Amino acid sequence: EPEVTQTPSHQVTQMGQEVILRCVPISNHLYFYWYRQILGQKVEFLVSFYNNEISEKSEIFDDQFSVERPDGSNFTLKIRSTKLEDSAMYFCASSPRGAGGDNEQFFGPGTRLTVL
Amino acid sequence: KQEVTQIPAALSVPEGENLVLNCSFTDSAIYNLQWFRQDPGKGLTSLLLIQSSQREQTSGRLNASLDKSSGRSTLYIAASQPGDSATYLCALSSGGSYIPTFGRGTSLIVHP
Repeated sequence: EPEVTQTPSHQVTQMGQEVILRCVPISNHLYFYWYRQILGQKVEFLVSFYNNEISEKSEIFDDQFSVERPDGSNFTLKIRSTKLEDSAMYFCASSPRGAGGDNEQFFGPGTRLTVL
Repeated sequence: KQEVTQIPAALSVPEGENLVLNCSFTDSAIYNLQWFRQDPGKGLTSLLLIQSSQREQTSGRLNASLDKSSGRSTLYIAASQPGDSATYLCALSSGGSYIPTFGRGTSLIVHP
């Protein structure tokens, strides 16, 4: 069964460093998303992406964040200058549709980001 | 702004019990509601999606219902097994956006 994959599974970085989190969505899906979950807290939406553009973003997704689909398979989240509070689990998700009541989202296993 | 609440926050039951997990929401103008399972330190596995026009969905031992008028959804797990131990998350899309808002989850332990 097709699944969303993410690399790396765990990333440790120093405060102020840039990190790139990678995702390979399900191949026939058109809509891609990033979420994060700080330990013990709710899953929070960061950004959605369709047709090579950001379609929606949350207040969390500030200028330190960017997303890119550099080729036909990968979808990346870049954090330019990491802060301690960026430490969280980052989930990528994809869906075949972005609108409509049947836009079921499928999540990857996550990347645990630890900022020291 | 949509608020999603899940009760109880934690549940511990013996194997074989039938369970009901609750999810309540404040804005009934929803597009859909999705139930997920999350194992410790892992990603989210989609269990069931209920569209706004539907009242329930079933998959194996799982049944999810949706009552928009009362702002509630329930996830029913029949004949629980230790392998069902996980956190169950409710997420719904509403208010002009198809981006889901998540609840905090119910942490379930099924002991043998």
